[in-house]
Amino acid sequence: AQRVTQPEKLLSVFKGAPVELKCNYSYSGSPELFWYVQYSRQRLQLLLRHISRESIKGFTADLNKGETSFHLKKPFAQEEDSAMYYCALLTGGGNKLTFGTGTQLKVEL
Amino acid sequence: NAGVTQTPKFQVLKTGQSMTLQCAQDMNHEYMSWYRQDPGMGLRLIHYSVGAGITDQGEVPNGYNVSRSTTEDFPLRLLSAAPSQTSVYFCASIRQGNTEAFFGQGTRLTVV
Repeated sequence: AQRVTQPEKLLSVFKGAPVELKCNYSYSGSPELFWYVQYSRQRLQLLLRHISRESIKGFTADLNKGETSFHLKKPFAQEEDSAMYYCALLTGGGNKLTFGTGTQLKVEL
Repeated sequence: NAGVTQTPKFQVLKTGQSMTLQCAQDMNHEYMSWYRQDPGMGLRLIHYSVGAGITDQGEVPNGYNVSRSTTEDFPLRLLSAAPSQTSVYFCASIRQGNTEAFFGQGTRLTVV
């Protein structure tokens, strides 16, 4: 069965510091991985997907199949980055998302 | 487009009561699903549907029923509410062939 692991429940960094949110997965097939973000009092929304290899709001994430990881990184944290971040794995032919337990990112001034 | 709409936003139930959480999407997405969000446990899949008339169980289906009579609607029924079902419930939809999930704003349910 598939599994997504986010080891940190809370990550607190200072503004301007680098950020790395860790995500590891377990899946026997070819993984499609995503990062979703939930800002305070807002609905979950897609931040980025590995297949796009894009940078969104300064965040990037690289799929490392050897280490089965998909860590989210940003070189300089901003106050508006404070939110809950979920790593997710898409399976079932594209209709099932398995989420990690989430990491609350807090950016302090 | 309104996207994914959930009603109600908040609900308090007594143990043993039943209710239906509504979810509607106007994007003609084939896939719809229900998740519950609990502290320290992330989002867990309750039930999902790949199209009208087709539903299947997710990770935590016990105590919940779903149906998908139309593409647009995917209601979640709590048969006999229990305090363990106190949670925030999210509905999501995905267009077949795409990979982005669109979420509703959530329903915060408290069972006392």
